[in-house]
Amino acid sequence: GAVVSQHPSRVICKSGTSVKIECRSLDFQATTMFWYRQFPKQSLMLMATSNEGSKATYEQGVEKDKFLINHASLTLSTLTVTSAHPEDSSFYICSARELQGRGDNYGYTFGSGTRLTVV
Amino acid sequence: ELKVEQNPLFLSMQEGKNYTIYCNYSTTSDRLYWYRQDPGKSLESLFVLLSNGAVKQEGRLMASLDTKARLSTLHITAAVHDLSATYFCAVEDALNFGKGTSLLVTP
Repeated sequence: GAVVSQHPSRVICKSGTSVKIECRSLDFQATTMFWYRQFPKQSLMLMATSNEGSKATYEQGVEKDKFLINHASLTLSTLTVTSAHPEDSSFYICSARELQGRGDNYGYTFGSGTRLTVV
Repeated sequence: ELKVEQNPLFLSMQEGKNYTIYCNYSTTSDRLYWYRQDPGKSLESLFVLLSNGAVKQEGRLMASLDTKARLSTLHITAAVHDLSATYFCAVEDALNFGKGTSLLVTP
């Protein structure tokens, strides 16, 4: 089945530094990828939608200069948290949608998530 | 603005009992998704419901979709401890998620 690889799974960084999270579709091409953040015991909140070769579309309230998204190829999207602060600590999950959905999952595959802790 | 509402948000049930989780959404959507999330993990796809009247079953879980009522249900039959997790419904576009239902199955 479709696999999305997300790295790193956990990262601890100092306040003020930047962190890059990678999301790769391993066996399919993803025209669209989505980035979510999830606080403890809460739901997933969509941060942005990225389309290969174009600028990401950010949800209201998400700072595009702080959360830089790059989707340079059909298999890779990156999220960079710039000048991270403790309030950015969260669980970040990416999702990729195939060019054509396959099977019952109909095109959405989730990465394993990245636990970011800013100290 | 698309809203997705789940209830209940918390559910504690005994093993062997049946229960239903409800998911209401506010705008037209042809597809509805159910996911399971274990603590500290990402999402596991359970069901994709593609049309009005769709019903899918896997083990002790059964999901249905009524697009006219904008309602989906996730029915749990004879619950077992292994079903303890958080369950999310989501609708397109870009998968807008409900708040999730935290299910705890006790002996």
